[in-house]
This record gives sequence, C-alpha cells and structure tokens, in this order.
Amino acid sequence: TQLLEQSPQFLSIQEGENLTVYCNSSSVFSSLQWYRQEPGEGPVLLVTVVTGGEVKKLKRLTFQFGDARKDSSLHITAAQPGDTGLYLCAGQGGSYIPTFGRGTSLIVHP
Amino acid sequence: DSGVTQTPKHLITATGQRVTLRCSPRSGDLSVYWYQQSLDQGLQFLIQYYNGEERAKGNILERFSAQQFPDLHSELNLSSLELGDSALYFCASSVGDSYTGELFFGEGSRLTVL
Repeated sequence: TQLLEQSPQFLSIQEGENLTVYCNSSSVFSSLQWYRQEPGEGPVLLVTVVTGGEVKKLKRLTFQFGDARKDSSLHITAAQPGDTGLYLCAGQGGSYIPTFGRGTSLIVHP
Repeated sequence: DSGVTQTPKHLITATGQRVTLRCSPRSGDLSVYWYQQSLDQGLQFLIQYYNGEERAKGNILERFSAQQFPDLHSELNLSSLELGDSALYFCASSVGDSYTGELFFGEGSRLTVL
C-alpha cells in the first residue's frame, strides 16, 4: 500500500497570505491529483500531474510534481476565504486505483 | 455539480441493521468507485466496478458488498452495522479504468449508526 503523507494537517491564515501544502511518499507515482473538498460535499478535482518536475497553474494555485514523482506541492498566492477547504492529494502507482492522503484543512480568515 | 448522484444524503440507523447506498455515475462513465471517509482514516478505497464487473477491491469488509447494474448505477450494501461504520460514503466515477486517476465524486451519503 502506498502511503501519502500530507502536511501540514491544519492551516489557519489571513486573507492575502501565501501558503504551501505538501504531499510526500516513498513510492513513485505515475500520476498525482489534487482535490479540494468543502464541508458536506465530495472532493472536486483541481489538477492532474504526470511528468516529473511538471508545474501547472490554476489561477492563484500552483501545483508541482517532484522530479522523482514521489512528492508534490500546492502553493496558493494571496489566499481568499473562498479557498477554505480540505485539500487532498491522490496518487496512482502500481495499482491504478488512486490512493488518497488525509488532507490539509485550510481556513482563510477574511 | 459533478454529475454523480448519491442517495440518500443522510441515513441514521441502529447497530445490526442493513442499509443500501445508491450511486448514479456521470453520463457516459463506465467505472464506479466506492470510498469511505472517516476523520481518523481519511478516504479509504472500498471497491471498483467497470461496466458491471468488479475490477478492484480495497479495504472492504466482508459485511459490505456492492454491485453495478446494466444501467451502470451502483449500490453499496452494508450489513450487520457497527458503530464504527459511521462515516461518509462516497461514490466516484470515471470514463474508463481511470487511467489518469481522475475521479468525479458525488456529494456522499452520511451514515450514522447508533
């Protein structure tokens, strides 16, 4: 079983601050996804990365896949209250079934 | 709106009982996945069906079973319920065997076992 460790577990910041959350594993992944989940809702796919070193941007969100395809980061610039939610990473390795980390719970205060 | 529909949204039942959760995938999606989400375990993969056939099994208890019907909707049956089965149960779908790992989740069914 591939384990995905996400850090930090919780993050509480003020509007306008920047932040980075991390997703780490000892396993190599063929692809990795980031999802955001809001209370009472299911996870919503944000991005998929597949190539080592790949960087993808989605407005104020920047996603990076590590060169060795074992880790990833999500950087949010100028966070807004609407960014509040649980950020989950999920990786596919030998099994194509996505394995999820436990998530980073982000609260952005106005 | 992901296009994945789950019912019921909330369910409260007693220990020892049996419940059925239902999922309709996005139009055109052939794969259905079931996940369980609890505070201490995060999102745990239970089982996957592809075009009516079981394709992969995860941490699914023997008390739990699932199936996918010809119209591609799926049901997750939970029996002999225990307090520890209280959790959010999510269904997700993908077009094929999720080659890219991209899943589309429903809003979940919150099960409370008293």
